[in-house]
This record gives sequence, structure tokens and C-alpha cells, in this order.
Amino acid sequence: QVQLVQSGAEVKKPGASVKVSCKASGYTFTSYGISWVRQAPGQGLEWMGWISAYNGNTNYAQKLQGRVTMTTDTSTSTAYMELRSLRSDDTAVYYCARATMIVAPSSGAFDIWGQGTMVTVSS
Amino acid sequence: DVVMTQSPLSLPVTLGQPASISCRSSQSLVYSDGNTYLNWFQQRPGQSPRRLIYKVSNRDSGVPDRFSGSGSGTDFTLKISRVEAEDVGVYYCMQGTHWPQTFGQGTKVEIK
Repeated sequence: QVQLVQSGAEVKKPGASVKVSCKASGYTFTSYGISWVRQAPGQGLEWMGWISAYNGNTNYAQKLQGRVTMTTDTSTSTAYMELRSLRSDDTAVYYCARATMIVAPSSGAFDIWGQGTMVTVSS
Repeated sequence: DVVMTQSPLSLPVTLGQPASISCRSSQSLVYSDGNTYLNWFQQRPGQSPRRLIYKVSNRDSGVPDRFSGSGSGTDFTLKISRVEAEDVGVYYCMQGTHWPQTFGQGTKVEIK
């Protein structure tokens, strides 16, 4: 079945980096993109950015520019999100979701979500 | 960025009764292809979000027909015809027309 499986929980110190993976299965990885969304404890959903698994193009949320990098490995159908210079307010559950292949809207976006990865930033 | 405003933010409902959530966008969500990319998501406690509705009114596979979406332009509504216990959770609207895609603040549905 179509699914996204994410890596496990992480605990990091302020200033460190974290890299979360998202492995896709059950569909043609390069026909879609991956969006990353995070949710701080008790808060709503925040879109972080997008990467095309077709050509590697990216689009990041303005507030995360310079601290976030999204990549894909098409040989393993896996997407990665790296966040650097972590702060306490980066503590959140990070989700990957299937997205469009190009920067344009589509019915096929956000239909499949990963299980979430808890990232805790604490000294 | 397009601002999505939901109301109410908290919605206590009686089992078997209807419920309605409003979502308004700060600008039109009609895309150049004529479609309106407005989604609704359900997030049950401790779970990942699940898409219920796409392009305003299209139900995803497996979504009960008690859920319906309507609206146009900047004004949208999610309705639950008869609330069941399994509907407890937080509901989010999200626009996919303009980048960056943006979410509403969420509406918490609970049983009275």
C-alpha cells in the first residue's frame, strides 16, 4: 500500500542539527514531491517546505530559510529534512506528506502522511 | 502569505447532532486552471493528519459520507451531518492554490 515511513524520535541540544528521513513505498516516488510540516506541542500545523522528487527543486518557508535543507535519494525512494542551529522552539513533531511534483497545486498533494517524528531540543 | 481563518476554534457537539466549521481565506483560492485547492484535514488525538476533503467538496476514499465540504472563492465550510464519537479531534483547512501553502489554526471538536 502507499505509505510514508519516517525515522524515529530524536533528542538534540540547542545549536545541533537533526536529519529526519521519510521512506516512500507503493507509488512512483519521482512522480511526486514531498512536503514537510511540523507541529509544536499543543499547536497547529506549520508548512516547512517542499522538494520535488522529480528534479530536486525546493521551496522553503521564509522563516526557515538558511536553516533547513530538503533532499531526496531516488535510489531508495527516501526524502530527508535537515534542520540546523536547533532552538527550543524547534521542538515539534515533524511530518512528511506526499506533495506535487512541481510548484503548482494538485489533487494528489497531502493525501498521504508519515507517522511523524518527534524532535526534542533541550539542554 | 494567504491567511486562513477558522471558526469556531472549539466546537462542543452532541452525539448524533450536526456540526459546521467555517474557513475563510485572505484572498481568492481559485487557481488559473479554474479549480479551487481547498483541503480539509482531520487529526485525531495522537495521530497524523488525514485528508478528508480536497478541492472544496471531494471526499477522499474511505471518508464517511456524513462529511461534506462546500464553498467558493474565499469562504468555505466543512459539515458533519451527524457527529459520531470517532469524529473527535482537530480539523484544519489548508489552501494549496498559493505558495506557500497555509493552514488554518484548527478547530477542536469534542463531545458535550
